[in-house]
Amino acid sequence: AQTVTQSQPEMSVQEAETVTLSCTYDTSENNYYLFWYKQPPSRQMILVIRQEAYKQQNATENRFSVNFQKAAKSFSLKISDSQLGDTAMYFCAFRTAGGTSYGKLTFGQGTILTVHP
Amino acid sequence: KAGVTQTPRYLIKTRGQQVTLSCSPISGHRSVSWYQQTPGQGLQFLFEYFSETQRNKGNFPGRFSGRQFSNSRSEMNVSTLELGDSALYLCASSKDGDSNQPQHFGDGTRLSIL
Repeated sequence: AQTVTQSQPEMSVQEAETVTLSCTYDTSENNYYLFWYKQPPSRQMILVIRQEAYKQQNATENRFSVNFQKAAKSFSLKISDSQLGDTAMYFCAFRTAGGTSYGKLTFGQGTILTVHP
Repeated sequence: KAGVTQTPRYLIKTRGQQVTLSCSPISGHRSVSWYQQTPGQGLQFLFEYFSETQRNKGNFPGRFSGRQFSNSRSEMNVSTLELGDSALYLCASSKDGDSNQPQHFGDGTRLSIL
């Protein structure tokens, strides 16, 4: 079974600064996908960024980038130039590639990020 | 393009009752997954449906069930409600449920058990 661990229950950052959220996972699979989702107070989970395990290049999406260390099973999210709208709960999620893992994401416990003006 | 729609948004029930939640996926999406979100257990996978068939199931008791209709809309049912069933229930859809496809989530149904 896969597990995802987010060791930072809460983080805060000043507007325009950079913050990094940590995520580690445990799996015996070699091929899988990793995701960061954002859940603002409005409740809707929004995909922030996705990483395929077979790609060595770290994914980036505008101000969001990841540091994917496959050997260390680490997948951190860096948010640059933080904005007030980034305030949300952030979830790291894992998904096995192929097989019978249809529709199943395994989530970490989440990190509450607060951006201060 | 309309997103994933979940109804109702809020629901209050008492112990022992049953409840049905509804999820309409994004047009063209045929895979629907359900998750339970609680402060204590976090987000947990309930089950996934594709073409009216349940393809995957999480570790929940048989009181939790679901179904999918030919138009890909899905419902989940919880019978004999317990206080511990109080949670936010999230539905997510993707085109075919393949692992390389991101899931798109609805706003959830907040279920409170009195």
